[in-house]
Amino acid sequence: QKEVEQDPGPLSVPEGAIVSLNCTYSNSAFQYFMWYRQYSRKGPELLMYTYSSGNKEDGRFTAQVDKSSKYISLFIRDSQPSDSATYLCAMTNSGYALNFGKGTSLLVTP
Amino acid sequence: EAQVTQNPRYLITVTGKKLTVTCSQNMNHEYMSWYRQDPGLGLRQIYYSMNVEVTDKGDVPEGYKVSRKEKRNFPLILESPSPNQTSLYFCASARGGGTEAFFGQGTRLTVV
Repeated sequence: QKEVEQDPGPLSVPEGAIVSLNCTYSNSAFQYFMWYRQYSRKGPELLMYTYSSGNKEDGRFTAQVDKSSKYISLFIRDSQPSDSATYLCAMTNSGYALNFGKGTSLLVTP
Repeated sequence: EAQVTQNPRYLITVTGKKLTVTCSQNMNHEYMSWYRQDPGLGLRQIYYSMNVEVTDKGDVPEGYKVSRKEKRNFPLILESPSPNQTSLYFCASARGGGTEAFFGQGTRLTVV
């Protein structure tokens, strides 16, 4: 079993919808959780970083971590066509050796 | 402008011909790392470095070498490339640990 599981999609939503992206993991030692966005032919860019459990909000983006369920989520409110990209979750216990999900492809249609 | 610069961006080479992909960052970051990205497999960590002269293996280090002689540079060396190393490679850097990493634009490597 891979340590980090992420549904690859694709996920297609209309503009303005709330998007929910999720990852599950098996290693209970993970304590740092990240979400990256990757546009086609580009490197990943960091969207959100969360330490341990809880919620974190930044503009239209909210990251949630539920360590008891080994489940993390990224919510995008008022989704825009410019949000169309692949979203990668990543996590680590040490801060150095990162484990990525395979990414979820999101398409927001006008 | 803060950035991670990889060179070359595209490379086609033949099996067994040694090559180096360079990575340089201008943010004075302690942490640097190399990843490969393959369809269906996602991003996998090859090597990482916590600081100058300190490196460690990631998930898929076989067939790769790295060195960290200067803080800003972290080259990836393929001593004898094979076709299964055909991939999209990314370098990343971060302040302190690797939790808030900046990624380069990628190097598309094809080994024939």
